[in-house]
Amino acid sequence: QKEVEQDPGPLSVPEGAIVSLNCTYSNSAFQYFMWYRQYSRKGPELLMYTYSSGNKEDGRFTAQVDKSSKYISLFIRDSQPSDSATYLCAMSASQAGTALIFGKGTTLSVSS
Amino acid sequence: GAGVSQTPSNKVTEKGKYVELRCDPISGHTALYWYRQSLGQGPEFLIYFQGTGAADDSGLPNDRFFAVRPEGSVSTLKIQRTERGDSAVYLCASSLRGGAGSNEQFFGPGTRLTVL
Repeated sequence: QKEVEQDPGPLSVPEGAIVSLNCTYSNSAFQYFMWYRQYSRKGPELLMYTYSSGNKEDGRFTAQVDKSSKYISLFIRDSQPSDSATYLCAMSASQAGTALIFGKGTTLSVSS
Repeated sequence: GAGVSQTPSNKVTEKGKYVELRCDPISGHTALYWYRQSLGQGPEFLIYFQGTGAADDSGLPNDRFFAVRPEGSVSTLKIQRTERGDSAVYLCASSLRGGAGSNEQFFGPGTRLTVL
């Protein structure tokens, strides 16, 4: 079993839909959780950074962490065609100077 | 406000050749990371520098891979005797050491390495 599991999709939704992306993990030491967006042939772009359990909202994006279930989510409201990309979850046990452990990424397509 | 830059953007080489990949981190970021991303996979950690020293090289797959950061800024990833299995996108990231949020890693566009 990999440390971080993420369904690769693809996930196709119509414009305006609410999108839910998820990851599960096995290492209970993980405390820092991130979501990156990666467009084709580009580097990952940091979207959300959260510490421990709870919710964080930024515009149309909401990140949720449930450490008791070892489950994290990213919600995208009012999805747009420009949201079409691969979304990677990443996590680490320490605040600084440690490798991020990534999921495989979920490919999202939003049609207009 | 320049981000992380990487050169070259694409590199095609022949099996057995030596390659060097360069990373310029965000100015003022003392931590620098190299990752490798294969098709359909998430990035996998290779090595982490804090300043000039490699603080963690546990992700380097074998001794053909080596990285340096002699002045604590630019880093070079070096691959000797390249193999077809080395073909991947090599990503560099940097982060600001110290304080809250210091593990926010910002990635460059990557170098796409193809070994023929």
